[in-house]
Amino acid sequence: DAGVIQSPRHEVTEMGQEVTLRCKPISGHNSLFWYRQTMMRGLELLIYFNNNVPIDDSGMPEDRFSAKMPNASFSTLKIQPSEPRDSAVYFCATILSGTGDSPLHFGNGTRLTVT
Amino acid sequence: KQEVTQIPAALSVPEGENLVLNCSFTDSAIYNLQWFRQDPGKGLTSLLLIQSSQREQTSGRLNASLDKSSGRSTLYIAASQPGDSATYLCAVIDYGQNFVFGPGTRLSVLP
Repeated sequence: DAGVIQSPRHEVTEMGQEVTLRCKPISGHNSLFWYRQTMMRGLELLIYFNNNVPIDDSGMPEDRFSAKMPNASFSTLKIQPSEPRDSAVYFCATILSGTGDSPLHFGNGTRLTVT
Repeated sequence: KQEVTQIPAALSVPEGENLVLNCSFTDSAIYNLQWFRQDPGKGLTSLLLIQSSQREQTSGRLNASLDKSSGRSTLYIAASQPGDSATYLCAVIDYGQNFVFGPGTRLSVLP
């Protein structure tokens, strides 16, 4: 398996623009997480899906952020409109939940810079 | 609310040394605990997973232990190498599948 695939790897955009980050989970994994990582705050959970259904979105900072998982093989995180304080590395991670011994697998992240 | 801390925040050692990284958590009701490694510009890579019923796990030169009652886990790295230089994070997972990550320990192994 190619692992968790995220695109793009880097995104530079101007304040006010819409940004869409994409994630393809590992085949068979039924839970998907979106995280944001900054030097100041470390890893923060944004939202978590189980079987394509959002379970916990309490970490989504504002209404400007939205996430979807239309099927088991694709998820998006959208920021509209983007702001400079959204600059961070965004990670998607997936897991086969319910087994107790399945590790969490991360993608390589999308580095977002909003100017 | 679960809180995870890691000590030390940074560590620099000469090649060949054995070392211990520490992870502490406040709520012992955990499902499992994972240790991850993060290289600059990359995502996290899972190193070891310890289920709540286990005391330790080993993979090559890495050994992780878990003491739920005291809220502690340690990652032992034997015979460290420059390639071990990275940030090491622990994460505790509860029965609701909530992952809480520590801030990480930044390790430098000097040749």
